[in-house]
Amino acid sequence: AQSVTQLDSQVPVFEEAPVELRCNYSSSVSVYLFWYVQYPNQGLQLLLKYLSGSTLVKGINGFEAEFNKSQTSFHLRKPSVHISDTAEYFCAVIMDNYGQNFVFGPGTRLSVLP
Amino acid sequence: DGGITQSPKYLFRKEGQNVTLSCEQNLNHDAMYWYRQDPGQGLRLIYYSQIVNDFQKGDIAEGYSVSREKKESFPLTVTSAQKNPTAFYLCASSIGGRVTDTQYFGPGTRLTVL
Repeated sequence: AQSVTQLDSQVPVFEEAPVELRCNYSSSVSVYLFWYVQYPNQGLQLLLKYLSGSTLVKGINGFEAEFNKSQTSFHLRKPSVHISDTAEYFCAVIMDNYGQNFVFGPGTRLSVLP
Repeated sequence: DGGITQSPKYLFRKEGQNVTLSCEQNLNHDAMYWYRQDPGQGLRLIYYSQIVNDFQKGDIAEGYSVSREKKESFPLTVTSAQKNPTAFYLCASSIGGRVTDTQYFGPGTRLTVL
């Protein structure tokens, strides 16, 4: 069965420090990968997505992610975080070409400390 | 201002009652989706619809029902058959049902069954 793992449920980091949020997936077929951010009591907002092409994907708010097929990973990075980046981050995978049947990871709560 | 609206933001119901959650979009999107979010579990797909008068079950459709009589509306009914209905419910839409079509999320409805 397909699955998405986010190894860190919580990541505390000081302001202006770099951060990496990890995402691994299990699949034997081609995948499409996404990172979403959720601020408290709000819906999800797309940060970035990998569909094909360059494995380094740049998204909004200074985030980027790198697709590594051999390691089945899609880790999210930001070189310098702000207080406003405090939120929950979800990695998601689509493994069908028909429809958009996402498989979401359990989420990582990023807390940026002053 | 285009977007997705969900109402109400908070909803309380007694056990055994059916309840309907509203989702409206004015983005002229063909596809709409309902997700359930529980702490530590990410999002799980309940139902999705790619065109008017058609919808498909997602991973956890038992105890839920939907209708898609209009393009802009995709209400979700949580029935008394749903064993654990207390959760955060998110509606999303995309211009089509392709992988390349970004899903846009509403602000969510938090349902509490007493």
